[in-house]
Amino acid sequence: DAGITQSPRHKVTETGTPVTLRCHQTENHRYMYWYRQDPGHGLRLIHYSYGVKDTDKGEVSDGYSVSRSKTEDFLLTLESATSSQTSVYFCAISTGTSGTGELFFGEGSRLTVL
Amino acid sequence: QKEVEQDPGPLSVPEGAIVSLNCTYSNSAFQYFMWYRQYSRKGPELLMYTYSSGNKEDGRFTAQVDKSSKYISLFIRDSQPSDSASYLCATTNGGSNYKLTFGKGTLLTVNP
Repeated sequence: DAGITQSPRHKVTETGTPVTLRCHQTENHRYMYWYRQDPGHGLRLIHYSYGVKDTDKGEVSDGYSVSRSKTEDFLLTLESATSSQTSVYFCAISTGTSGTGELFFGEGSRLTVL
Repeated sequence: QKEVEQDPGPLSVPEGAIVSLNCTYSNSAFQYFMWYRQYSRKGPELLMYTYSSGNKEDGRFTAQVDKSSKYISLFIRDSQPSDSASYLCATTNGGSNYKLTFGKGTLLTVNP
């Protein structure tokens, strides 16, 4: 258990509303990631963080912003949710072992935008 | 062309069968290759990883990488119903940000 908690686990919202998903880790690892998973597309990286206040974009970052003010928390915000952002969102951490790519994933947050 | 291609299946086999799952990739810079297993409504978990070309075995699972043909394989021997899950291949060039590129995943069902 990598100590990753995502909240909320399920959310239904309406188009145009802001949504924030939270990822919390208990082990103070440096690298944290937000992925979305959709049928036909697999897992795609939205944003990632390599330290407090250090973030960078992934391949599908449009419409999303992130913040990391504490090591343990990585927030994903949809400023104005759209139906195309209906997805399952996974947070992941890397323990930092060089090059092994061992990401530990949370249980996912299922978001539905009506 | 997507950097990692994986046939999404679904794949259905009888218990005890040998399962072969495959991916191809396009970026020659990729050096680390992984297989993740994802049960329904759960997050992916690392199953196997290999560095560069070659084979790696762990129990009933064997991961194989052929860098010359940019081909990644996962073999499952004596498949069990508990192996029913989605299997995702992933790769990275080993950069310090540990970003992974995933295939779409193959849904496997092992029937008792």
